[in-house]
Amino acid sequence: GAVVSQHPSWVICKSGTSVKIECRSLDFQATTMFWYRQFPKQSLMLMATSNEGSKATYEQGVEKDKFLINHASLTLSTLTVTSAHPEDSSFYICSPKPDLPYEQYFGPGTRLTVT
Amino acid sequence: GQNIDQPTEMTATEGAIVQINCTYQTSGFNGLFWYQQHAGEAPTFLSYNVLDGLEEKGRFSSFLSRSKGYSYLLLKELQMKDSASYLCAVRGATGYALNFGKGTSLLVTP
Repeated sequence: GAVVSQHPSWVICKSGTSVKIECRSLDFQATTMFWYRQFPKQSLMLMATSNEGSKATYEQGVEKDKFLINHASLTLSTLTVTSAHPEDSSFYICSPKPDLPYEQYFGPGTRLTVT
Repeated sequence: GQNIDQPTEMTATEGAIVQINCTYQTSGFNGLFWYQQHAGEAPTFLSYNVLDGLEEKGRFSSFLSRSKGYSYLLLKELQMKDSASYLCAVRGATGYALNFGKGTSLLVTP
């Protein structure tokens, strides 16, 4: 399956600061990257879809000015949580659009804790 | 929109068989996935069904009935390490994004 890495794997930041999460596809070119988040004891929810070289599309209820997504290359997509608040504490996971429909893999995730 | 239902919790005994059900109502359908997720980790892929029927892969099998909006994941010869959350996810008619159910927390006891 696809090899996807995320960095950092976990981060603790203070309220009001910004945090950047990187998602890299290591063995193929991802034209599209999906960003999900998972709150404690809940399931994954799609936040946004990023396409290489164009603006991301956000799901209803996700603030595009707060969660900045950049997909500058076919191997790197970034999610920046701006002015983070404790309610943004969550597990953020990226997933590249697969070449084959049955291949849908996820990065290892980034756990964000905002204090 | 999509509505995906699965039981919240299940308990089974080591060595036994357990079936985790998933029902869905979607405006379009382009595949159903099952993932395993251990606490603090990302989901790992278990199975994919897009046509009706049973897909078998080792100790894990997954079944799909599109007309009934129904799937199940069957785990055989349960092991303690199978204790995890199992997520049912449906891909809609357009795009590749997934909609997830709330997950079923499976506890395997000795």
